[in-house]
Amino acid sequence: SQQGEEDPQALSIQEGENATMNCSYKTSINNLQWYRQNSGRGLVHLILIRSNEREKHSGRLRVTLDTSKKSSSLLITASRAADTASYFCATDAPSGSRLTFGEGTQLTVNP
Amino acid sequence: EAGVAQSPRYKIIEKRQSVAFWCNPISGHATLYWYQQILGQGPKLLIQFQNNGVVDDSQLPKDRFSAERLKGVDSTLKIQPAKLEDSAVYLCASSRSLTSGNNNEQFFGPGTRLTVL
Repeated sequence: SQQGEEDPQALSIQEGENATMNCSYKTSINNLQWYRQNSGRGLVHLILIRSNEREKHSGRLRVTLDTSKKSSSLLITASRAADTASYFCATDAPSGSRLTFGEGTQLTVNP
Repeated sequence: EAGVAQSPRYKIIEKRQSVAFWCNPISGHATLYWYQQILGQGPKLLIQFQNNGVVDDSQLPKDRFSAERLKGVDSTLKIQPAKLEDSAVYLCASSRSLTSGNNNEQFFGPGTRLTVL
């Protein structure tokens, strides 16, 4: 079964607004990562949060992790048109380094 | 540092034909991954190498897919024969270390978009 599942599947906002994407997973994790993928390109690593962390910031990104609910959220503040992309969460199980990706959230930021 | 290189970027073949993809990871990265990404879905791991050894190929359809990393650097992924459902983007990624608990950040190449007609 799919380990990471993002919602919403698609999100459309205006430039300057905040965007929040959620990820749920099913089994224990070692860490959770968020990646961005622009159309026709490879994935780019955004941020990693370990299972013993609850919140992490990087620039305009804020990630939270709730291991009791097996969920994570990615917040992009003051969005820009250049943030338009698909965003994926990926989990890394304690037993190994394989990353399991979710289906992604397609974010569109309208100028 | 140079990123992960992949070629070709695009490939169109007919079903039952063969195709090969090439990947050159970031210099010094011990771990190399091949993913299949079907349109509208997240990447799915096909095979993972640590240096020139296979670590995980549990999701590789071995009747038609094969991959090698003979010298522990470059890697090739082959499909023979291709089926319509193999149409996807094939992504290569690399990371410094396999060790669980370390920062397992993966660096991705641009991918090869395969269309099987």
